[in-house]
Amino acid sequence: EADIYQTPRYLVIGTGKKITLECSQTMGHDKMYWYQQDPGMELHLIHYSYGVNSTEKGDLSSESTVSRIRTEHFPLTLESARPSHTSQYLCASSLGGANVLTFGAGSRLTVL
Amino acid sequence: AQKITQTQPGMFVQEKEAVTLDCTYDTSDQSYGLFWYKQPSSGEMIFLIYQGSYDEQNATEGRYSLNFQKARKSANLVISASQLGDSAMYFCAMRPNDYKLSFGAGTTVTVRA
Repeated sequence: EADIYQTPRYLVIGTGKKITLECSQTMGHDKMYWYQQDPGMELHLIHYSYGVNSTEKGDLSSESTVSRIRTEHFPLTLESARPSHTSQYLCASSLGGANVLTFGAGSRLTVL
Repeated sequence: AQKITQTQPGMFVQEKEAVTLDCTYDTSDQSYGLFWYKQPSSGEMIFLIYQGSYDEQNATEGRYSLNFQKARKSANLVISASQLGDSAMYFCAMRPNDYKLSFGAGTTVTVRA
């Protein structure tokens, strides 16, 4: 039973379109993260949030933006999608000083 | 940025045998956490095992054990009695003081019958 949900699971979209990848968790976790992963490659942190109204960029530069208006919701937006944005985006969350990140199933984005 | 190194891009292991996946890390933090995650072909990330930097005992979770050598900054994962379902990509990760988990490049494990 998933406690962190990502939609859509798969998205194929044309260049220039605006997209939002949704991420919601029901565990009351304060910290949330977005990772980007190309097939068979490592995960790169692109955004993270320590709590409501707190967002920061990760180690990998990304043209996407995020918001954290509610504890449970951490959407990622691309204003104008490009083929270079084709990748898998993984959302995760963790609680306070606890260490384990719980991941969503991922959103696979293809930009044509 | 923290650096995690996994030098084995791919490994083959015979069913029922043990396999060791290497991981070294670099950090100046005194307090940190080390993790291993499994990623099957379906793409989800499955948490396997955790080791805190101050834990004196090596972590174990069922068939998974973590060989933690703090002075060498290594955190190798040992999978005992491999099963066909263990075929997946395995990622070593480290959580420094700022809670931003960084991942290594991963090791693909293929279990042969």
